[in-house]
Amino acid sequence: EVQLQESGPGLVKPSQSLSLTCSVTGYSITSNYWGWIRKFPGNKMEWMGYISYSGSTSYNPSLKSRISITRDTSKNQFFLQLNSVTTEDTATYYCARETAISLVDYWGQGVMVTVSS
Amino acid sequence: DTVLTQSPALAVSPGERVTISCRASESVSTLMHWYQQKPGQQPTLLIYLASNLESGVPARFSGSGSGTDFTLTIDPVEADDTATYYCQQSWNDSLTFGSGTKLEIK
Repeated sequence: EVQLQESGPGLVKPSQSLSLTCSVTGYSITSNYWGWIRKFPGNKMEWMGYISYSGSTSYNPSLKSRISITRDTSKNQFFLQLNSVTTEDTATYYCARETAISLVDYWGQGVMVTVSS
Repeated sequence: DTVLTQSPALAVSPGERVTISCRASESVSTLMHWYQQKPGQQPTLLIYLASNLESGVPARFSGSGSGTDFTLTIDPVEADDTATYYCQQSWNDSLTFGSGTKLEIK
């Protein structure tokens, strides 16, 4: 069974970087696409980007200057880094598996990240 | 970005039929998918490519539509269907989600 689990700090200060890890079991990240999606207070959902089976990346244009998604295939993990965060980046962050037709068939449980001083 | 518009909330009684709509700001063909998110849980996939039922999802759920107008139908509704329902398009490289429809079971 495919399982994804996010980990990382729940509190980040403004202007700092947000870093999260997604650990995947039951499936290799050298197949499919592996992405990050966040849900803001008030329910709005935003796709942030993905890293593909080959290591190529695609990002939401609204985040392109601040976001980086990388991976460690030896640990079957992928990572999110979001730079220069503000309070508007407060959200629940989900890691997810995307298929070739860009739907999400597996989600992590989500990690709530608050940006506050 | 393709904007997806959903009605914010609906309230229905168990046993009734409910339709949840999603309108896209431009045609997305049938590249529309539906998710259910129960409180405190991650979203789960219900319908893919507008009308295909994901494995394991009850046949009470169905989807229809193409182009700009899509519908998720639950018939009959059960108490356990209390959740927020999201549509998501994959026509564009940058995926977008609807704002979500919160379904309350009376």
